[in-house]
Amino acid sequence: GENVEQHPSTLSVQEGDSAVIKCTYSDSASNYFPWYKQELGKRPQLIIDIRSNVGEKKDQRIAVTLNKTAKHFSLHITETQPEDSAVYFCAVVLSRGNKLVFGAGTILRVKS
Amino acid sequence: DAGVIQSPRHEVTEMGQEVTLRCKPISGHDYLFWYRQTMMRGLELLIYFNNNVPIDDSGMPEDRFSAKMPNASFSTLKIQPSEPRDSAVYFCASSLYEGHEQYFGPGTRLTVT
Repeated sequence: GENVEQHPSTLSVQEGDSAVIKCTYSDSASNYFPWYKQELGKRPQLIIDIRSNVGEKKDQRIAVTLNKTAKHFSLHITETQPEDSAVYFCAVVLSRGNKLVFGAGTILRVKS
Repeated sequence: DAGVIQSPRHEVTEMGQEVTLRCKPISGHDYLFWYRQTMMRGLELLIYFNNNVPIDDSGMPEDRFSAKMPNASFSTLKIQPSEPRDSAVYFCASSLYEGHEQYFGPGTRLTVT
């Protein structure tokens, strides 16, 4: 089945620094790549997504880049703030159907 | 819209009992998903429906788990009999169409003692 690898598993940064989380996938025909943020005790919520016809997408302090050839995509958060502390999940929609496969998650801690 | 609604929010039951989790998707969404989240296994898809029809149930752990969607506004996930290893947070999500954002409900925290 589809394999989604996410790194690092934990990430600590100083407030104001940048954070980068990377994911790799195996289904070369996948075409939709969302990122979800989950705060403690809350539901996962979409923060940004990218489709395979685009290489980069930006929304204020967050951006996602996609390299389809290498089958990896990354989340970039600039000027991190304490409220960015959460678990971040990458996901891939398989080329067949509408099935989302999630990475294992990255615990991001922003120290003030 | 109220978003995806799940009930109950918390459920504590004894091993061997039947558990039923409920979900109301966002009105107009064609897809409904059931996920389970644990520390060990992360967030895993159990089953999903398209227009009330089960499409992929390959993630359902075993015959003790069953899911139904009798109409476009209601779905259930049933565990019978429940076991301690079923303890987890169960999320329901819905999406408008294929490859579109999935909106998650608040989850049901299930504890089986």
